[in-house]
Formats: sequence, C-alpha cells, structure tokens
Amino acid sequence: GAVVSQHPSRVICKSGTSVKIECRSLDFQATTMFWYRQFPKKSLMLMATSNEGSKATYEQGVEKDKFLINHASLTLSTLTVTSAHPEDSSFYICSARPGLAGVSYEQYFGPGTRLTVT
Amino acid sequence: DAKTTQPPSMDCAEGRAANLPCNHSTISGNEYVYWYRQIHSQGPQYIIHGLKNNETNEMASLIITEDRKSSTLILPHATLRDTAVYYCIVSGGSNYKLTFGKGTLLTVNP
Repeated sequence: GAVVSQHPSRVICKSGTSVKIECRSLDFQATTMFWYRQFPKKSLMLMATSNEGSKATYEQGVEKDKFLINHASLTLSTLTVTSAHPEDSSFYICSARPGLAGVSYEQYFGPGTRLTVT
Repeated sequence: DAKTTQPPSMDCAEGRAANLPCNHSTISGNEYVYWYRQIHSQGPQYIIHGLKNNETNEMASLIITEDRKSSTLILPHATLRDTAVYYCIVSGGSNYKLTFGKGTLLTVNP
C-alpha cells in the first residue's frame, strides 16, 4: 500500500513553454499533498503545500504564478511550471499525506520527475 | 520545526547492523521523529516514525532517548541496497511539513 505515482518521469521542454506534472496517490486518499524540488547534490526543498479543494500554500521565495498547483481531488495534484526557463531544470518530487490536519502521519513520496529546460 | 544534526556519512559492512544517530535537542513535546531515505535519483522512502516510545517495523527499529533529544535508526542486517542518504526529521503538531537537512550518506560495503 501507500503508493504515489508521478507522470511523466522525465520531460524535456523548450524555454518559454509550460509543463504539467501529475501526482497521484494510488491506494489512499491524500488530504494534503506537497511539492518539492531538488537540485543536483542538494537536499529536497519544499515548494508548496496543497489541500484538496483549497488554494496551495507556497514557501517563501517560490513564485505562485510560475508554479501553479491544483489539488482537485483526494488522489490527484498537478504542478504546472509556466514559462519554463533553464534555471527551472530540476528534480520535482511530490508527496501525499493521508489523515487529518493536526495529526502527524507519514508522507509517501512519488518517484520524481526530471525536468530539463533547453 | 526543530533542527536535527546527523553525521554526513557512515560506512557499514554488509550483513552487519547499521546504527544511524540523530540529535534533535530542541524537539517540542508534540513533534514526532521521522526517518526517510533516498536512493540516488529516486523519491524519498518512508522508513519509520515515533513520538517517545521505541518503534520497530519490517524495515528498521527506532530508538528514542528518554529525554527525546536524540534517536538512533537501526537497520538490523544491512544490505548493499540499503546504501542511501538517510534523513532524520522532526515534525508534528500544527506544522506537519517535513524539512529535509543534508542527511547521512550510508554506504554499505560488501
């Protein structure tokens, strides 16, 4: 159990285009989903937190108009990188957390999406 | 979130127990200790978590000191596939976000 998938696993796009990444919890309902970014040889950095049916909460320094997050259902969240530039090239990882807010539960991570902007 | 301190790297012989330490001296009463690991170019994998009691599952054991200021993750019989970066994270209460530090690179040697 507790499987999270991401699609696509790898994507190459041209500078100025937009890319959508999907994150799905396959066998549980995720009240909260998180999006992280990881640059080479660095640790994961949280970008935003999304709760189903409400607007995402972005971390300081993350542009909400550039990284659009939609959490339309309890099993699906999407991250759209708009007008991508080479500096957006990174490893994007989502995680999903079951359970209720205020109660600690583990997060389950997707396999990640490698974005390369040329 | 409380900060954690981990050694940057450790080595372990295959088949032996791997004991990974973590200091979290500023942990709050309602914060849990979580352990995740990340194998190169993959998403992190949940290992175990605990509040104040020792915990064990099919992957590992978590030993938390009585004052909760430190913990140890134990992989009882390390294999080559356990080579990964191991992250100790404290989180909980009203803030359930995970803040990843640099972790410990565990290398299991044949």
